[in-house]
Order: sequence, then structure tokens, then C-alpha cells
Amino acid sequence: SALTQPPSASGSPGQSVTISCTGTSSDVGGYNYVSWYQQHPGKAPKLMIYEVNKRPSGVPDRFSGSKSGNTASLTVSGLQAEDEADYYCGSFAGHNNLGVFGGGTKLTVL
Amino acid sequence: QVQLVESGGGLVEPGGSLRLSCVASGFTFSDYYMYWIRQAPGKGLEWISYISGNSDATNHADSVKGRFTTSRDNAKNSLYLQMNSLRGEDTAVYYCAKRQSAATPGYWGQGTLVTVSS
Repeated sequence: SALTQPPSASGSPGQSVTISCTGTSSDVGGYNYVSWYQQHPGKAPKLMIYEVNKRPSGVPDRFSGSKSGNTASLTVSGLQAEDEADYYCGSFAGHNNLGVFGGGTKLTVL
Repeated sequence: QVQLVESGGGLVEPGGSLRLSCVASGFTFSDYYMYWIRQAPGKGLEWISYISGNSDATNHADSVKGRFTTSRDNAKNSLYLQMNSLRGEDTAVYYCAKRQSAATPGYWGQGTLVTVSS
């Protein structure tokens, strides 16, 4: 089953916003393989966070990830206009299984 | 730098077939699991398949199992998705991606649009 994300989130420039991603003990809660993706309209998704809280090279440190139990979170600090996008979480769901994605959250910078 | 370039999408009638290709560069292709992921218009991301570096492990989503087949040719740095018995609900942008970590696509191609319609 898909992970659960809020459909929308918003914040003003300079503020912080947190997006949640709720799964189960079979995915988010069971492994430290939670990832987050940013997708601008008409573009391919971009990996922003992997293994719960690691940032790929080039991703600003304004983006951070965490996890507690079956819920993971993405926090974007110091919001900027270019952060407005759709954000998807993903998780490993066990060996020999495909991963699982959340339904996506549209982040609006007010 | 890592580059993934998909091709092969287009308009196909229900019941038809298409073969998508993804050419990779900028990394040792045979060392990595590769993924296919799709996104229906206005919808979220959906896992389609994975394949291991030496092709000894593959898996497909239940929604495409028995209709889609994932393969690769490491000599050509290429990943393929053979899609048969296509349905309207298969209409989507199809992305190939390189593994970053377990079930974590690190680099994505630009995507190729598949439209299934009569």
C-alpha cells in the first residue's frame, strides 16, 4: 500500500515547513531506507534525502529528514520560492519487494 | 556525470506493444540495479520494476506482472521495458532510474510518455 502524505503544505519565504509520511512496520518503520523526492511541473523527480537523513551532493542543507516509528518527515527550512514543488516520500519494503511511494504533497510558498 | 536517456514512448492502441529503452552513461552500468517507475498524468509515482546488475534478480509490480518484462544489455549500457497487452491505465510517463540505495532511485531520466488509446 502507498505511504500516506498530506496533499498540501505551505509556508512563507524564510519559514520552515515539515511534511509527514506515514507507513507501517513493514516499510517506513522497519528499515532506515526512507527517501524524499522533489518534482517541479513537467520535470523528473530529484532525490533530496535518502536513508532517512542523508543528502546527496548538491542538495542544500535547508532540506533535512527524520523518522520516528512508522512516520518519516521532511523539513524544509528557510523556504525559498524555488522550493515550491511536489514532494514524494519513498521507502524500502523488504527484500524481493519493490519499494513504495507516498501519494505526494504539493508545497506552496506563499 | 550520470545521464539516463529514455526513448520508445508513443501512442499505441489497447492490446498493443511497445519497447522502451534507456541508455545510461557516466557510471559503470553493470554495477547497479536499475529501476522503471511510472507516473500517470496528474498522479503520483508508481514502481514498475527493478533488475539487478547481472540480471539475476528482477521483480515487477502486480499491476504489470505477466505483461511487462524488464531486461538489460550491459555491453550496450542499456535498460529495456517490453510492454505487451497495453491498457488505458498504462498511460503514463515512464522513467528509468539508477539505484542510490535500497529502493532509492538516485538519478532519473527525463521520462518518455506512453499513451494507450484507440
